[in-house]
Amino acid sequence: NAGVTQTPKFRILKIGQSMTLQCTQDMNHNYMYWYRQDPGMGLKLIYYSVGAGITDKGEVPNGYNVSRSTTEDFPLRLELAAPSQTSVYFCASSYHDSYEQYFGPGTRLTVT
Amino acid sequence: QKEVEQNSGPLSVPEGAIASLNCTYSDRVSQSFFWYRQYSGKSPELIMSIYSNGDKEDGRFTAQLNKASQYVSLLIRDSQPSDSATYLCAVNGVGASYDKVIFGPGTSLSVIP
Repeated sequence: NAGVTQTPKFRILKIGQSMTLQCTQDMNHNYMYWYRQDPGMGLKLIYYSVGAGITDKGEVPNGYNVSRSTTEDFPLRLELAAPSQTSVYFCASSYHDSYEQYFGPGTRLTVT
Repeated sequence: QKEVEQNSGPLSVPEGAIASLNCTYSDRVSQSFFWYRQYSGKSPELIMSIYSNGDKEDGRFTAQLNKASQYVSLLIRDSQPSDSATYLCAVNGVGASYDKVIFGPGTSLSVIP
């Protein structure tokens, strides 16, 4: 099992550009999450999904969008990138029954 | 009031000592508790889960849960430099946060050789 994979590992965007961060899990987990982590800070939940076709906002959803068309994939879309979106983005997945979240390796994004 | 709080770091211990990491949570009905380890520049890694009052041991790690006091701790025995990392406490969400896990801010641990 590859677990949770994320692409790309690194990306530099110019202000106003858009991009999609990819997240895939092969553990058949029903729950998936997107977090951002600013330097020296804790995890902040952006969006989450409890199953294919169902998504909901976390605490910092502004400037982001998600979709969940399959159990395996949960892409995060950034529209009109801003410097405030410079961060490390982590995708995680879990079975709801356990709440044990498994994280991908992260995407380090810089917006200049 | 923050939902999950951890003792402020950084915490420095000498190699071979016991490192004690503490966490309190605000919602009395929480049932699932976790410790994650995050090395600098890496993603969080689940190292311990605990669901019942008392102690749970896994190698050099012991998680302790006291639901009456709403307190979770992680003890690392015979601390090694490789244990130097940030440790995140996490608790299952309840009510409106039922589908989420609530993470604490983390405690940075430095093990000095």
